[in-house]
Amino acid sequence: AQSVTQLDSHVSVSEGTPVLLRCNYSSSYSPSLFWYVQHPNKGLQLLLKYTSAATLVKGINGFEAEFKKSETSFHLTKPSAHMSDAAEYFCVVRGVDGGSQGNLIFGKGTKLSVKP
Amino acid sequence: ETGVTQSPTHLIKTRGQQVTLRCSSQSGHNTVSWYQQALGQGPQFIFQYYREEENGRGNFPPRFSGLQFPNYSSELNVNALELDDSALYLCASSLDRAYSPLHFGNGTRLTVT
Repeated sequence: AQSVTQLDSHVSVSEGTPVLLRCNYSSSYSPSLFWYVQHPNKGLQLLLKYTSAATLVKGINGFEAEFKKSETSFHLTKPSAHMSDAAEYFCVVRGVDGGSQGNLIFGKGTKLSVKP
Repeated sequence: ETGVTQSPTHLIKTRGQQVTLRCSSQSGHNTVSWYQQALGQGPQFIFQYYREEENGRGNFPPRFSGLQFPNYSSELNVNALELDDSALYLCASSLDRAYSPLHFGNGTRLTVT
């Protein structure tokens, strides 16, 4: 079965400093991994996706993530945080078992706070 | 290109009642998935519809049911509402069943009292 674990429920950074949101995955297949962002009272927006083409994936708004098979990790980074980055971030793996074929399995989320 | 739209945005129901939530897919998308997001949690997969047929279901009881129409819009129906059904219900559409990214609507906030 597929699963993801987000290692931090809350991360706080200062504006202009780097962002690191950590995610470990478990999958019996070569996984499809995603990061989604959710701003308050909004739906989910896709930041980036990994589908085995390249281990370093660039997304929108300056975010990127690196797939490390040896560490079963898919951490999200950004060199310099902006106030508008404050939101909830979800690490996601696409399910491939039975009833979850092709659907998304979400982590519990990491709330990112950005201080001025 | 029109995105995924959901209605209503907010809804208050009483325990035991029934509710119908609606979703219009993004243009060209033939697959719709529904998710439940309880407060402070990640979304959980309810079910998926592909070309008007259910194509996968998560761990939700039968009182959660759905429909997909020929224009690929969709409904989520919940019978015999329970307090724990209070959540944000998210609809997502995609180009296919398994490989394309999901595009989410802004959700319907359901409160059961």
